[in-house]
Amino acid sequence: GAGVSQSPRYKVAKRGQDVALRCDPISGHVSLFWYQQALGQGPEFLTYFQNEAQLDKSGLPSDRFFAERPEGSVSTLKIQRTQQEDSAVYLCASSKPGTSRYEQYFGPGTRLTVT
Amino acid sequence: AQRVTQPEKLLSVFKGAPVELKCNYSYSGSPELFWYVQYSRQRLQLLLRHISRESIKGFTADLNKGETSFHLKKPFAQEEDSAMYYCASFSGGYNKLIFGAGTRLAVHP
Repeated sequence: GAGVSQSPRYKVAKRGQDVALRCDPISGHVSLFWYQQALGQGPEFLTYFQNEAQLDKSGLPSDRFFAERPEGSVSTLKIQRTQQEDSAVYLCASSKPGTSRYEQYFGPGTRLTVT
Repeated sequence: AQRVTQPEKLLSVFKGAPVELKCNYSYSGSPELFWYVQYSRQRLQLLLRHISRESIKGFTADLNKGETSFHLKKPFAQEEDSAMYYCASFSGGYNKLIFGAGTRLAVHP
Protein backbone atom coordinates (compact mmCIF):
# COMPACT_ATOMS: atom_id res chain seq x y z
CA GLY A 1 0.00 0.00 0.00
CA ALA A 2 0.98 3.60 -0.45
CA GLY A 3 2.76 5.39 2.35
CA VAL A 4 2.29 8.95 3.50
CA SER A 5 2.56 11.37 0.61
CA GLN A 6 3.24 15.09 0.67
CA SER A 7 3.01 17.78 -1.98
CA PRO A 8 4.68 19.77 -3.25
CA ARG A 9 8.07 18.22 -2.55
CA TYR A 10 9.79 21.55 -3.00
CA LYS A 11 8.41 25.05 -2.65
CA VAL A 12 10.15 28.36 -3.12
CA ALA A 13 8.25 31.37 -1.84
CA LYS A 14 9.06 35.03 -1.75
CA ARG A 15 8.93 36.57 1.69
CA GLY A 16 5.42 37.65 2.43
CA GLN A 17 3.71 35.06 0.24
CA ASP A 18 1.26 32.51 1.58
CA VAL A 19 1.94 28.79 1.08
CA ALA A 20 -0.12 25.63 1.51
CA LEU A 21 1.46 22.23 2.09
CA ARG A 22 -0.54 19.05 1.66
CA CYS A 23 -0.33 15.72 3.43
CA ASP A 24 -2.09 12.49 2.43
CA PRO A 25 -1.81 10.04 5.33
CA ILE A 26 -2.00 6.28 5.11
CA SER A 27 -5.61 5.22 4.65
CA GLY A 28 -7.26 4.44 7.97
CA HIS A 29 -4.71 6.26 10.09
CA VAL A 30 -6.60 8.45 12.52
CA SER A 31 -3.59 10.28 13.97
CA LEU A 32 -1.74 12.88 11.93
CA PHE A 33 1.24 14.95 12.97
CA TRP A 34 3.11 17.87 11.43
CA TYR A 35 6.77 18.49 12.24
CA GLN A 36 9.18 21.20 11.17
CA GLN A 37 12.81 20.31 10.55
CA ALA A 38 15.28 23.14 10.26
CA LEU A 39 18.65 22.55 8.65
CA GLY A 40 20.91 20.49 10.90
CA GLN A 41 18.20 19.87 13.48
CA GLY A 42 15.84 17.10 14.37
CA PRO A 43 12.13 17.36 13.58
CA GLU A 44 10.12 19.56 15.95
CA PHE A 45 6.46 18.96 16.66
CA LEU A 46 4.00 21.49 15.27
CA THR A 47 0.49 20.08 15.61
CA TYR A 48 -1.56 16.91 16.01
CA PHE A 49 -4.93 15.76 14.67
CA GLN A 50 -7.07 12.87 15.73
CA ASN A 51 -9.44 12.40 12.82
CA GLU A 52 -10.65 15.93 12.04
CA ALA A 53 -10.05 17.30 15.53
CA GLN A 54 -6.92 19.35 16.12
CA LEU A 55 -6.07 18.27 19.64
CA ASP A 56 -2.68 19.89 20.05
CA LYS A 57 -1.30 22.93 18.27
CA SER A 58 1.19 23.89 20.92
CA GLY A 59 4.14 23.65 18.53
CA LEU A 60 2.91 26.12 15.94
CA PRO A 61 5.48 28.92 16.10
CA SER A 62 3.14 31.82 15.40
CA ASP A 63 -0.39 32.70 14.36
CA ARG A 64 0.83 32.74 10.77
CA PHE A 65 0.76 28.95 10.88
CA PHE A 66 -2.56 27.21 10.46
CA ALA A 67 -3.40 23.54 9.92
CA GLU A 68 -6.62 21.76 9.08
CA ARG A 69 -7.93 18.27 8.39
CA PRO A 70 -11.60 18.88 7.65
CA GLU A 71 -12.64 15.34 6.73
CA GLY A 72 -10.23 13.45 8.90
CA SER A 73 -8.00 12.40 6.03
CA VAL A 74 -5.98 14.88 3.97
CA SER A 75 -4.38 17.70 5.95
CA THR A 76 -3.10 21.08 4.87
CA LEU A 77 -0.54 23.21 6.66
CA LYS A 78 -0.81 26.84 5.69
CA ILE A 79 1.76 29.50 6.37
CA GLN A 80 0.75 33.09 5.86
CA ARG A 81 3.14 35.94 5.11
CA THR A 82 6.14 33.64 4.99
CA GLN A 83 9.38 34.77 6.61
CA GLN A 84 12.92 33.57 6.01
CA GLU A 85 12.93 31.72 9.33
CA ASP A 86 10.11 29.55 7.99
CA SER A 87 12.57 27.89 5.61
CA ALA A 88 12.67 24.24 6.64
CA VAL A 89 11.50 20.77 5.72
CA TYR A 90 7.92 20.17 6.81
CA LEU A 91 7.22 16.55 7.66
CA CYS A 92 3.87 14.88 7.99
CA ALA A 93 3.42 11.59 9.86
CA SER A 94 0.44 9.36 10.50
CA SER A 95 -0.25 6.52 12.87
CA LYS A 96 -3.02 4.17 13.84
CA PRO A 97 -3.52 3.81 17.57
CA GLY A 98 -4.46 0.33 18.58
CA THR A 99 -1.96 -1.40 16.34
CA SER A 100 1.63 -0.14 16.53
CA ARG A 101 0.54 2.75 18.70
CA TYR A 102 3.89 4.39 18.84
CA GLU A 103 4.98 3.96 15.24
CA GLN A 104 4.58 7.05 13.18
CA TYR A 105 4.97 6.70 9.42
CA PHE A 106 6.59 9.72 7.85
CA GLY A 107 6.12 11.30 4.48
CA PRO A 108 9.02 12.49 2.32
CA GLY A 109 8.61 16.07 3.46
CA THR A 110 8.16 19.40 1.73
CA ARG A 111 11.26 21.56 1.56
CA LEU A 112 10.21 25.21 1.85
CA THR A 113 12.68 27.91 0.91
CA VAL A 114 11.70 31.50 1.58
CA THR A 115 13.71 34.05 -0.36
CA ALA B 1 10.76 20.61 29.43
CA GLN B 2 11.34 17.15 28.03
CA ARG B 3 14.56 16.97 26.06
CA VAL B 4 16.54 14.48 23.98
CA THR B 5 20.25 15.09 23.50
CA GLN B 6 22.53 13.57 20.91
CA PRO B 7 25.98 14.97 21.62
CA GLU B 8 27.65 13.91 18.39
CA LYS B 9 26.81 15.49 15.05
CA LEU B 10 29.01 13.06 13.15
CA LEU B 11 30.38 9.64 13.90
CA SER B 12 32.87 8.27 11.41
CA VAL B 13 34.04 4.63 11.57
CA PHE B 14 35.51 1.96 9.36
CA LYS B 15 33.58 -1.07 8.20
CA GLY B 16 33.64 -3.81 10.81
CA ALA B 17 34.27 -1.45 13.72
CA PRO B 18 31.84 -1.21 16.65
CA VAL B 19 29.43 1.68 16.71
CA GLU B 20 27.76 3.49 19.59
CA LEU B 21 25.50 6.47 18.94
CA LYS B 22 24.78 8.32 22.15
CA CYS B 23 21.41 9.53 23.32
CA ASN B 24 20.45 11.07 26.66
CA TYR B 25 16.99 12.10 27.71
CA SER B 26 15.37 14.14 30.42
CA TYR B 27 12.02 12.87 31.58
CA SER B 28 10.65 12.52 35.04
CA GLY B 29 8.31 9.60 34.41
CA SER B 30 8.70 6.34 32.52
CA PRO B 31 10.03 7.25 29.10
CA GLU B 32 9.16 5.68 25.80
CA LEU B 33 12.21 5.90 23.57
CA PHE B 34 12.89 5.24 19.92
CA TRP B 35 15.58 5.36 17.30
CA TYR B 36 14.62 6.63 13.84
CA VAL B 37 16.87 6.40 10.80
CA GLN B 38 16.98 8.31 7.55
CA TYR B 39 18.99 6.80 4.73
CA SER B 40 20.11 8.99 1.85
CA ARG B 41 17.14 10.17 -0.23
CA GLN B 42 14.70 8.15 1.85
CA ARG B 43 12.12 9.13 4.40
CA LEU B 44 12.47 8.97 8.14
CA GLN B 45 11.62 5.52 9.45
CA LEU B 46 11.46 3.76 12.77
CA LEU B 47 14.50 1.61 13.51
CA LEU B 48 13.66 0.30 16.96
CA ARG B 49 11.81 1.09 20.17
CA HIS B 50 12.94 0.29 23.67
CA ILE B 51 9.73 -1.43 24.76
CA SER B 52 10.25 -4.12 22.14
CA ARG B 53 13.79 -4.92 23.27
CA GLU B 54 14.49 -6.02 19.72
CA SER B 55 17.51 -6.09 17.47
CA ILE B 56 17.02 -4.59 14.04
CA LYS B 57 19.72 -4.81 11.36
CA GLY B 58 22.14 -5.78 14.12
CA PHE B 59 21.41 -2.65 16.17
CA THR B 60 20.36 -2.76 19.80
CA ALA B 61 19.59 -0.08 22.35
CA ASP B 62 19.17 -0.48 26.08
CA LEU B 63 17.37 1.97 28.29
CA ASN B 64 19.52 2.95 31.26
CA LYS B 65 17.33 4.85 33.67
CA GLY B 66 20.20 5.55 36.06
CA GLU B 67 22.18 7.34 33.39
CA THR B 68 19.05 8.50 31.50
CA SER B 69 20.57 7.11 28.32
CA PHE B 70 19.40 5.08 25.34
CA HIS B 71 22.54 4.54 23.30
CA LEU B 72 22.34 2.72 19.96
CA LYS B 73 24.96 0.03 19.42
CA LYS B 74 26.13 -2.31 16.72
CA PRO B 75 29.17 -4.58 17.10
CA PHE B 76 30.27 -4.53 13.44
CA ALA B 77 29.32 -1.56 11.28
CA GLN B 78 28.46 -2.02 7.61
CA GLU B 79 28.69 0.54 4.83
CA GLU B 80 24.93 0.38 4.36
CA ASP B 81 24.50 1.63 7.93
CA SER B 82 25.62 5.09 6.80
CA ALA B 83 22.65 7.37 7.53
CA MET B 84 21.23 10.01 9.87
CA TYR B 85 20.08 8.58 13.18
CA TYR B 86 17.63 10.36 15.44
CA CYS B 87 16.84 9.45 19.00
CA ALA B 88 13.29 10.34 20.03
CA SER B 89 11.14 10.28 23.08
CA PHE B 90 7.42 9.87 23.17
CA SER B 91 5.78 12.83 24.88
CA GLY B 92 2.74 11.55 26.65
CA GLY B 93 -0.80 12.50 25.83
CA TYR B 94 -0.93 12.63 22.08
CA ASN B 95 2.01 10.45 21.01
CA LYS B 96 4.02 13.37 19.75
CA LEU B 97 7.73 12.72 19.41
CA ILE B 98 10.55 14.84 20.80
CA PHE B 99 13.64 14.35 18.62
CA GLY B 100 17.31 14.86 19.22
CA ALA B 101 19.35 16.84 16.71
CA GLY B 102 20.58 13.67 15.04
CA THR B 103 23.92 11.98 14.46
CA ARG B 104 25.29 11.28 11.02
CA LEU B 105 26.96 7.87 10.89
CA ALA B 106 29.52 7.47 8.13
CA VAL B 107 30.93 3.97 7.64
CA HIS B 108 34.00 3.88 5.45
CA PRO B 109 35.25 0.85 3.49
